[in-house]
Amino acid sequence: GQQVMQIPQYQHVQEGEDFTTYCNSSTTLSNIQWYKQRPGGHPVFLIQLVKSGEVKKQKRLTFQFGEAKKNSSLHITATQTTDVGTYFCAGLEYNTDKLIFGTGTRLQVFP
Amino acid sequence: DSGVTQTPKHLITATGQRVTLRCSPRSGDLSVYWYQQSLDQGLQFLIHYYNGEERAKGNILERFSAQQFPDLHSELNLSSLELGDSALYFCASSVSGRSLYEQYFGPGTRLTVT
Repeated sequence: GQQVMQIPQYQHVQEGEDFTTYCNSSTTLSNIQWYKQRPGGHPVFLIQLVKSGEVKKQKRLTFQFGEAKKNSSLHITATQTTDVGTYFCAGLEYNTDKLIFGTGTRLQVFP
Repeated sequence: DSGVTQTPKHLITATGQRVTLRCSPRSGDLSVYWYQQSLDQGLQFLIHYYNGEERAKGNILERFSAQQFPDLHSELNLSSLELGDSALYFCASSVSGRSLYEQYFGPGTRLTVT
């Protein structure tokens, strides 16, 4: 079945440094969503990308969907301690309408 | 607060037992999704219901079953519990029957099987 992998699995950064997580699917996706889960919390929707090559920004966060619609990335500029958490991508399978979550990247930010 | 409620918050039970987890979606949402998150693991999709009907199944064990009631709340039944079933179980709701739209997650039920 479809697999969605994320790298890195963990990332520790100093506050102010940039951070990027990459999401790769074994198959072409209909769309991709990104969620953030704070420690001890539940996943919270961040954004959805639908078009090939799409780029969306939310303040310090930049999301990109690959041209082939098989990969995506989330880049955070100048991390803050509030960015701590696990970031999940979730790809929507064509035909099955199943949202497959990636393995997640846990971000730790040191002040 | 996402508007999705889950009960109970914590559940401790023994191997071989059966438990029921409950989820109430956001007002107006017709879809309910169930996910399992083991320690330090990602979210495994279990099952999706839309307006009372099963829409999609993921890696849900035969020992697990779910249903969505006319008032749109959903229950996930886990039977013949094993140690490996210990996990955080999330439900999420969405306005649409298709997974195109964002999902709103509940706070989760932490199940511990001893």
